[in-house]
Amino acid sequence: AQSVSQHNHHVILSEAASLELGCNYSYGGTVNLFWYVQYPGQHLQLLLKYFSGDPLVKGIKGFEAEFIKSKFSFNLRKPSVQWSDTAEYFCAVNDRNTGFQKLVFGTGTRLLVSP
Amino acid sequence: GAGVSQTPSNKVTEKGKYVELRCDPISGHTALYWYRQSLGQGPEFLIYFQGTGAADDSGLPNDRFFAVRPEGSVSTLKIQRTERGDSAVYLCASSSSGTGGETQYFGPGTRLLVL
Repeated sequence: AQSVSQHNHHVILSEAASLELGCNYSYGGTVNLFWYVQYPGQHLQLLLKYFSGDPLVKGIKGFEAEFIKSKFSFNLRKPSVQWSDTAEYFCAVNDRNTGFQKLVFGTGTRLLVSP
Repeated sequence: GAGVSQTPSNKVTEKGKYVELRCDPISGHTALYWYRQSLGQGPEFLIYFQGTGAADDSGLPNDRFFAVRPEGSVSTLKIQRTERGDSAVYLCASSSSGTGGETQYFGPGTRLLVL
């Protein structure tokens, strides 16, 4: 069964620092990849997604992620974080085995950006 | 509607009681998903509806859990004989047609506490 690993559980950065959050998945077939964000007191919302084409995906609020098929990875990046990026970030995958329906999520990374 | 709505936002019940959690998807969305998020974990898939039918219920943990979507819009997740281990945030999501790569839009969740 598909699984998703997010190796950083808690990350603390100062404003303007660069961010990279790791995400690895286990299933090697055709996958769709997502990053969701949950700001304090808010519901999950989509940051960006990849399902084909250019492996470098740009999302909202200056975030981007790169799909590296050979490494089964989809790491999230932002060159300069802001205090308002404080949130929990979830990587998620769906795949052909489940008809690309159910999402399998990682355990999440809590990001705290200090002003 | 503007987004996915879920009621109640919080539910406290006693062990052994029956609970119903409601989800109202985005208007026109045919696909509806239920996930469960325990403390410190990412959301875990429970069940997926395409229209009125449950297309994949492989994530339901046992036969105490049941969900319906009788008219292809609102869905109710039903939990019988609740146990303390059922305490979690229950998330509902919808997407326009349930095909691969679509964004799933999440509601705010129902926080269930079983005493």
